[in-house]
Amino acid sequence: AQTVTQSQPEMSVQEAETVTLSCTYDTSESDYYLFWYKQPPSRQMILVIRQEAYKQQNATENRFSVNFQKAAKSFSLKISDSQLGDAAMYFCAYDGGNNRLAFGKGNQVVVIP
Amino acid sequence: DGGITQSPKYLFRKEGQNVTLSCEQNLNHDAMYWYRQDPGQGLRLIYYSQIVNDFQKGDIAEGYSVSREKKESFPLTVTSAQKNPTAFYLCASSDRRVVLNEQFFGPGTRLTVL
Repeated sequence: AQTVTQSQPEMSVQEAETVTLSCTYDTSESDYYLFWYKQPPSRQMILVIRQEAYKQQNATENRFSVNFQKAAKSFSLKISDSQLGDAAMYFCAYDGGNNRLAFGKGNQVVVIP
Repeated sequence: DGGITQSPKYLFRKEGQNVTLSCEQNLNHDAMYWYRQDPGQGLRLIYYSQIVNDFQKGDIAEGYSVSREKKESFPLTVTSAQKNPTAFYLCASSDRRVVLNEQFFGPGTRLTVL
């Protein structure tokens, strides 16, 4: 199984500030897909953002953006202008093209009002 | 509304009993998945199915079984052979025809062994 590593199990951020979550992965593939999923207290998994490895441009979805460093096998998530609704567990996931996702252990984001 | 449903939301089982978790989707997706989530762990893949009447073991299949008789349904049976079945179980589906296809998740089932 692929290995996806998320350090810093819990991170706190002031409302309206920016927080960055790190993710590294292990692969020998050249083409693959990366995802960030959000799991709020309801435990419903929600896709936040996705990135194709062959695209050099970093993906952006409103206040969420990624820093994809292919050579370093790094895929960090930046949440700008943090809101109370951003409080959740965030999971980084890797898909090597076989429709199987490998997940990291997650980062808990706490938003301080 | 299109989506994935899982039932029940909470399930209690006595040791030694088999129990079946339901997963249904009306998204017309070919692929379906079962994950297990434990505290402090990410999601771990139990079984997945790319097409009706076919399924493959994931990373932690021991003690579990599945069937895929219909496109919409992918039930998971937790057998008595599963040594530590208490966990949160998530079902997901995806459209294999879509490049960079995301997996859509159900609301989950919390299984507790008494």
